[in-house]
Amino acid sequence: GQQVMQIPQYQHVQEGEDFTTYCNSSTTLSNIQWYKQRPGGHPVFLIQLVKSGEVKKQKRLTFQFGEAKKNSSLHITATQTTDVGTYFCAGPESSNDYKLSFGAGTTVTVRA
Amino acid sequence: NAGVTQTPKFQVLKTGQSMTLQCAQDMNHEYMSWYRQDPGMGLRLIHYSVGAGITDQGEVPNGYNVSRSTTEDFPLRLLSAAPSQTSVYFCASSPPGALGQYFGPGTRLTVT
Repeated sequence: GQQVMQIPQYQHVQEGEDFTTYCNSSTTLSNIQWYKQRPGGHPVFLIQLVKSGEVKKQKRLTFQFGEAKKNSSLHITATQTTDVGTYFCAGPESSNDYKLSFGAGTTVTVRA
Repeated sequence: NAGVTQTPKFQVLKTGQSMTLQCAQDMNHEYMSWYRQDPGMGLRLIHYSVGAGITDQGEVPNGYNVSRSTTEDFPLRLLSAAPSQTSVYFCASSPPGALGQYFGPGTRLTVT
């Protein structure tokens, strides 16, 4: 079946620095979604990318969908303590947009 | 709008007991789903529904039953609880077009 992998599993960042987390799928995706989960909280939808090579920005967060639609990245600039949490990517199975496979997530901690 | 609500927040069961986790949404979303979240494994889809009267299995359906008699409610039944079902359970709903999912606050279940 489809597998969605994320690296790194953990990211320790100095406040103010930039970092990138990556998501790779074993199959071509119709779209990719990103979620953020704060410690003790529930996943919150951030964004969906649909087009090959698409880039979207949300303030300090930049999301990119690969040309082959098999990978994606999330880049955060000038990391803040509010960025702490786990970031998940998720992609649908090839024939069913409602059946999402989630990556294991990248857990981000920030050193002040 | 209350969004997606789940009850109970916490539950402890003994092996072999049965129970129902409740999920409701007031956004008139057709799509609803149940996930379990275990450390280091992201979210895994248990069952989902694309509308009242329609349900289907996800990645890890064994030991769980669902039904969808109304658009608003999507309960998850554990038939005979096992320690392997100790997890955090999230319910989610999605508007038409599968543009991201709204998650409930979760139920933390422990089976002893």
